[in-house]
Amino acid sequence: RKEVEQDPGPFNVPEGATVAFNCTYSNSASQSFFWYRQDCRKEPKLLMSVYSSGNEDGRFTAQLNRASQYISLLIRDSKLSDSATYLCVVNRGYSTLTFGKGTMLLVSP
Amino acid sequence: SQTIHQWPATLVQPVGSPLSLECTVEGTSNPNLYWYRQAAGRGLQLLFYSVGIGQISSEVPQNLSASRPQDRQFILSSKKLLLSDSGFYLCAWSPGGTGNTIYFGEGSWLTVV
Repeated sequence: RKEVEQDPGPFNVPEGATVAFNCTYSNSASQSFFWYRQDCRKEPKLLMSVYSSGNEDGRFTAQLNRASQYISLLIRDSKLSDSATYLCVVNRGYSTLTFGKGTMLLVSP
Repeated sequence: SQTIHQWPATLVQPVGSPLSLECTVEGTSNPNLYWYRQAAGRGLQLLFYSVGIGQISSEVPQNLSASRPQDRQFILSSKKLLLSDSGFYLCAWSPGGTGNTIYFGEGSWLTVV
């Protein structure tokens, strides 16, 4: 099993749609979880951290299920500017993070 | 506020030539520093990380090396590039400690021809 697995997509959705991304991780000892966003040919940027109780930041909601080793990201009311690749990230050992390959989102008018 | 600078932004190098990518962080002290590579169609691969001056951990030995001559400076090198070294190289930093968010530089596009 890969350390962090994501559906590569692409997910094609119209503006205003709700879309959900899923991610699974293999290391049950992982303690820190994040979602990053990467635009084409740009560096990844932190979108949000993921907390055990779930957390929301505007139109974005992240959830963590430790028992199933599963992380999700929900985007409501999709905007054209949300088109990007979304990377699921999990800490691996001391000071290092493991990145999933990412899920591509394409929002169309 | 903290900033990270990485250069050069793009380079085209012949097979067998040397490589040097440099990264500096400002506005913080004793950061953890990282080099990642993203090859076409692949995910981010951790190459090296450092928790202090002169302390380098290698994830991918191959023909690359890293050095940290100063607290906020991280250098990625190769003596002889291979075609397979082409990719997007990203320097990153995080506050010292474990499980912290990491912040990336703008990246360096390397094409080996």
